[in-house]
Amino acid sequence: EAQVTQNPRYLITVTGKKLTVTCSQNMNHEYMSWYRQDPGLGLRQIYYSMNVEVTDKGDVPEGYKVSRKEKRNFPLILESPSPNQTSLYFCASSLSPRGTKELFFGEGSRLTVL
Amino acid sequence: AQKVTQAQTEISVVEKEDVTLDCVYETRDTTYYLFWYKQPPSGELVFLIRRNSFDEQNEISGRYSWNFQKSTSSFNFTITASQVVDSAVYFCALSEEWADSSYKLIFGSGTRLLVRP
Repeated sequence: EAQVTQNPRYLITVTGKKLTVTCSQNMNHEYMSWYRQDPGLGLRQIYYSMNVEVTDKGDVPEGYKVSRKEKRNFPLILESPSPNQTSLYFCASSLSPRGTKELFFGEGSRLTVL
Repeated sequence: AQKVTQAQTEISVVEKEDVTLDCVYETRDTTYYLFWYKQPPSGELVFLIRRNSFDEQNEISGRYSWNFQKSTSSFNFTITASQVVDSAVYFCALSEEWADSSYKLIFGSGTRLLVRP
């Protein structure tokens, strides 16, 4: 089954404790991306990747890091989480390297930073 | 710069009413793509439609229809004879083909649709 898998789905952590949200897709997609969803703000792009070892900032990259060492994986790293990073996070992938085709989304990861 | 505006924050209708969700976009690119996604209460994001900038033909899929008008930079979504299962948050999104080395996908802030029985 074609899917994007994120883990963990739910996480409560404390300020400053490094965490990683994993994302994996099994569709051999070139484009992968991370979004955060906040009430009233919709989905905002954090980082995206057009291929292995190619990543770029979205609109809200501050406080986040990503890596794309393998095509299927695109982890999101919060080196020192802060309460303003409490949000619902979605990973997505697309066949088109420019993200101009349909996005397939993971189920979301709800993160709370205390 | 890209921008997507969904001015309607929340819409409430009674079942069987028709409802139109508005989407207005800004782009300097001549080649771009517009999308609609649905987020039901369960939280997942579901793709509904993709339209490229050279195809202004309106599209109908069952009770759903989309009206793309480049002259007004709008890509509106209409649900005919709404049903309770249509209750969700709907997002409009835009991506550009030849953006200046930046391939972001920009979403609007979403419209929450509530269909009451």
